[in-house]
Amino acid sequence: DAEITQSPRHKITETGRQVTLACHQTWNHNNMFWYRQDLGHGLRLIHYSYGVQDTNKGEVSDGYSVSRSNTEDLPLTLESAASSQTSVYFCASSYGGVTDTQYFGPGTRLTVL
Amino acid sequence: AQKVTQAQTEISVVEKEDVTLDCVYETRDTTYYLFWYKQPPSGELVFLIRRNSFDEQNEISGRYSWNFQKSTSSFNFTITASQVVDSAVYFCALSEIGDDKIIFGKGTRLHILP
Repeated sequence: DAEITQSPRHKITETGRQVTLACHQTWNHNNMFWYRQDLGHGLRLIHYSYGVQDTNKGEVSDGYSVSRSNTEDLPLTLESAASSQTSVYFCASSYGGVTDTQYFGPGTRLTVL
Repeated sequence: AQKVTQAQTEISVVEKEDVTLDCVYETRDTTYYLFWYKQPPSGELVFLIRRNSFDEQNEISGRYSWNFQKSTSSFNFTITASQVVDSAVYFCALSEIGDDKIIFGKGTRLHILP
């Protein structure tokens, strides 16, 4: 069955370190998205991609970057982790644009000490 | 600007009661899509329904039903005969044609008490 996976599921890191969160989907979806979920804020869009070599900034992109070298993967990099980036991160994918249904990965809980 | 409001932060009901989760949205577009997602205690986000702005028919799926009313900009979600397994956070979301993102409400935490 097609699925979307994230790794690691839990990560603890220190302030200033570079961290990369992996997202892999086997739906063959063109579009992939990264969100963060924080209490009181719901889900907020970090970055998204509509295809290979395409990346776009979302609502809360500062301090994050993504690259899309193939259809299946959209890794999220925190260039220099900050305590404010402690959150749960969700990856999602969809076949069509943002009006199409997005299917979410299981999430990565990141703690920055 | 797009906005999704889920005014009910937290709801508790006793098992077998019916419960309605409210969702009110704001948009200037005539073409848009509305979604509901469920986030159980295990943390994953589960897609429940997608509805476009031209389809105002109510939808029923088992114990779940959705009432879409453009006149009041609402897309409410009702669980009939609630069960403990329905305990979760429920998110309503909105996307517009030509926009680049889905806007999520802040969610309603639903507790079903045995």
